[in-house]
Amino acid sequence: EDKVVQSPLSLVVHEGDTVTLNCSYEVTNFRSLLWYKQEKKAPTFLFMLTSSGIEKKSGRLSSILDKKELSSILNITATQTGDSAIYLCAVPFQGAQKLVFGQGTRLTINP
Amino acid sequence: DAGITQSPRHKVTETGTPVTLRCHQTENHRYMYWYRQDPGHGLRLIHYSYGVKDTDKGEVSDGYSVSRSKTEDFLLTLESATSSQTSVYFCAISELGQAYGYTFGSGTRLTVV
Repeated sequence: EDKVVQSPLSLVVHEGDTVTLNCSYEVTNFRSLLWYKQEKKAPTFLFMLTSSGIEKKSGRLSSILDKKELSSILNITATQTGDSAIYLCAVPFQGAQKLVFGQGTRLTINP
Repeated sequence: DAGITQSPRHKVTETGTPVTLRCHQTENHRYMYWYRQDPGHGLRLIHYSYGVKDTDKGEVSDGYSVSRSKTEDFLLTLESATSSQTSVYFCAISELGQAYGYTFGSGTRLTVV
């Protein structure tokens, strides 16, 4: 069964800290892995990693795909209170028509 | 959320009553999805549609049914609501079913008492 597992489920840090969020997956016919940020409402797309694009970076956020370990990490440096959110990892399955999500990591940044 | 709206935004209903949630899109996308979100579970797929009158089950479909009679509308029905269906429900759309193309609605918070 296709499965996506995130850790930790919850994380509280101080502003300015660096955090690393983890995502591991077991999916048949891996195509890609996606990261989303969810604040108060709908998830918003951050990154997509594929076999041909295993590292992405946008400002203070970066993500790496480890195909050997079947996992990905999301790094956030110099965290700000605006980074407080739930971060979701997802992997497509069944011909990429459906997304399987992990449980999410609730990140809280304290001033 | 441009192009996708969910209604109602909030609903409280009693156990045993039927409930219908609506997802409406103006993007003419082929694929539409219903997810539920609960603490500790992330987003779980309930049902999805890959065209008018074409639907399929997701991982947590028990107790739910869907209908799609028009491209723009995807309805989720709880035939007889239970407290375990208290959740936040998200609709998503995708033009080609490609993962990066998902757009989510703002969600419906449903409470079953």
